[in-house]
Amino acid sequence: DAMVIQNPRYQVTQFGKPVTLSCSQTLNHNVMYWYQQKSSQAPKLLFHYYDKDFNNEADTPDNFQSRRPNTSFCFLDIRSPGLGDAAMYLCATSRSRGEGTEAFFGQGTRLTVV
Amino acid sequence: QKEVEQNSGPLSVPEGAIASLNCTYSDRGSQSFFWYRQYSGKSPELIMSIYSNGDKEDGRFTAQLNKASQYVSLLIRDSQPSDSATYLCAVNSGYSTLTFGKGTMLLVSP
Repeated sequence: DAMVIQNPRYQVTQFGKPVTLSCSQTLNHNVMYWYQQKSSQAPKLLFHYYDKDFNNEADTPDNFQSRRPNTSFCFLDIRSPGLGDAAMYLCATSRSRGEGTEAFFGQGTRLTVV
Repeated sequence: QKEVEQNSGPLSVPEGAIASLNCTYSDRGSQSFFWYRQYSGKSPELIMSIYSNGDKEDGRFTAQLNKASQYVSLLIRDSQPSDSATYLCAVNSGYSTLTFGKGTMLLVSP
């Protein structure tokens, strides 16, 4: 009964080869987020969508892009992965953007860059 | 820069004991506070949310909030080995985007 689904769970890509990670949700939540988490570090917000409104964090590298074609799906594109982009990528959703709104995570995609 | 600070641990407690996890935050205007549990190699799982000063209890878990001191804590009663995980404190930093601490690793020994 997974409600936020990420695919694939594990992704190996070559240095510099574009890669796309996907996220889908059955919660009909308005907000979708992408976080990057490296070992023993806090999840770091890359960007989020409020409906179709895209919000990029100031320190998110240009190498990272996102698309949200509809309410249910959101994609993370890494245009030219470097070794430093190896991490767990977490998709999350929340019902709205107000204070007190809880965020729910998918299972994550572990990205390895070789 | 909004910050959330946690002791990285590990915090080691014996089975059956109370585990106490602490978190401080820098943004005095923060209103929403969350505790997530993250098992090794897995994604964060929401276990508690708290919005008002005081205590909030849910089963073996109690969240405590003191906005004046900018302090949030999580108590786990009757700790079990299955509670061994990293516990992430998260604070709402506007537009419902969460700022996370690095987490505290909890180890519960049988």
